[in-house]
Amino acid sequence: NAGVTQTPKFRILKIGQSMTLQCTQDMNHNYMYWYRQDPGMGLKLIYYSVGAGITDKGEVPNGYNVSRSTTEDFPLRLELAAPSQTSVYFCASSRLTEAFFGQGTRLTVV
Amino acid sequence: KNEVEQSPQNLTAQEGEFITINCSYSVGISALHWLQQHPGGGIVSLFMLSSGKKKHGRLIATINIQEKHSSLHITASHPRDSAVYICAVDSTNTGNQFYFGTGTSLTVIP
Repeated sequence: NAGVTQTPKFRILKIGQSMTLQCTQDMNHNYMYWYRQDPGMGLKLIYYSVGAGITDKGEVPNGYNVSRSTTEDFPLRLELAAPSQTSVYFCASSRLTEAFFGQGTRLTVV
Repeated sequence: KNEVEQSPQNLTAQEGEFITINCSYSVGISALHWLQQHPGGGIVSLFMLSSGKKKHGRLIATINIQEKHSSLHITASHPRDSAVYICAVDSTNTGNQFYFGTGTSLTVIP
C-alpha cells in the first residue's frame, strides 16, 4: 500500500546541473501531476498527465520536462538547474475523485 | 484567474477558538477536497466532499454546490492544528483535473 512515492526527499544541485525527480504510484491512477511549492506560497502546477503517453504543461513548465511511458511512473526532469528552481516539489496522482500526494522533494540549487 | 480562491491567506487564533476557512471555486466539480500540510511535512487529505457536510473529530467541512463555496471549520482549536489548509477541486470541465487554492496558513497560539 505505497500510494505515491517520490525520490529523492532532499537534493542539492549546483547551477547548470541536471537531475530527475522520480514519482511512482501503485493505484492505477490515470492523472498524475507535478507541483512546486515555494516558501510561503501555494502549489503551482508544472506539468500533468492524463494517462500513459500524454503530458501537458501546467502554469510554470519552463525549465522542466516530463514523460509518462507507463501508468505508474511520471518523472520530472530539470535541465540546467537555476536558483529559481529551489523549491519543494510534490507529485500527486488522482483517479476520478481520489487524490494522493507524495511526501515531497526539497530541492536547493546553489 | 484562479479557479479556486481561499480566504483568509493567514490566520492566527488562540487555543480553543472556533476557526473557519473559506473556499470558493469557479469551475464545475465532481468533488472538493480539503488538504492539510504541516510545516516541512507532506500533504494529507482531510475531507472529500461532493455535497452537504462531513465531520471528523473537531473538523467539519461543508459545501454549497449552488454557491460554489465550501468552508472548513475547526472547533476548540489546538496548537497541533497549526498547518496550511488547502482547498482543491477536481473539475468536470477538464476531465477531472485538479485545481488547488493557494492555502490558508493557520497558527494556533497556546
